[in-house]
Amino acid sequence: TQLLEQSPQFLSIQEGENLTVYCNSSSVFSSLQWYRQEPGEGPVLLVTVVTGGEVKKLKRLTFQFGDARKDSSLHITAAQPGDTGLYLCAGARNNNDMRFGAGTRLTVKP
Amino acid sequence: GAVVSQHPSRVICKSGTSVKIECRSLDFQATTMFWYRQFPKQSLMLMATSNEGSKATYEQGVEKDKFLINHASLTLSTLTVTSAHPEDSSFYICSALGQYGYTFGSGTRLTVV
Repeated sequence: TQLLEQSPQFLSIQEGENLTVYCNSSSVFSSLQWYRQEPGEGPVLLVTVVTGGEVKKLKRLTFQFGDARKDSSLHITAAQPGDTGLYLCAGARNNNDMRFGAGTRLTVKP
Repeated sequence: GAVVSQHPSRVICKSGTSVKIECRSLDFQATTMFWYRQFPKQSLMLMATSNEGSKATYEQGVEKDKFLINHASLTLSTLTVTSAHPEDSSFYICSALGQYGYTFGSGTRLTVV
């Protein structure tokens, strides 16, 4: 079992629809990050959340960190084909090692 | 911003040979470096954590004698895949932890033939 349970693993939607990706764990994290990864490249950081209950917005993306710092969500409003990609949540515990969720492969159809 | 340079980006080697992958933090000092492996259509799996000047800590199931990690300076860590076999073919990614947080390299696609 993975430390971080990410869902859904696959998501295919039409342009303009909204979606939410979830990242859950039984562990507490000092910080949680969301990445987007293109094929053959390293992951690119979207956001870092560190405070329980924190909400951050990045254009059409809204990130939330759970009050207990065990879970997080990524919400995309009015998805566009350019949002297609692999989205990864990753959590760092007190020993600093960062572990990833299984990833969500998003496809946005025009 | 922080940049981590990872080389080579692609390598093809013969079965039984060894391959070295380098990971350099270009404009910051990395107190800790992490090595991940990613199989097609899967997420990143942590292989090992290394701190400068000390032995790497390997995750369960990762053979330390096969995946040699050296972190000789605060800006350089290397991963050597020894006696590579086709099942070692994968995408290897490093990450450096420093003053800017976690910064990832661009990855190395290893193909063992």
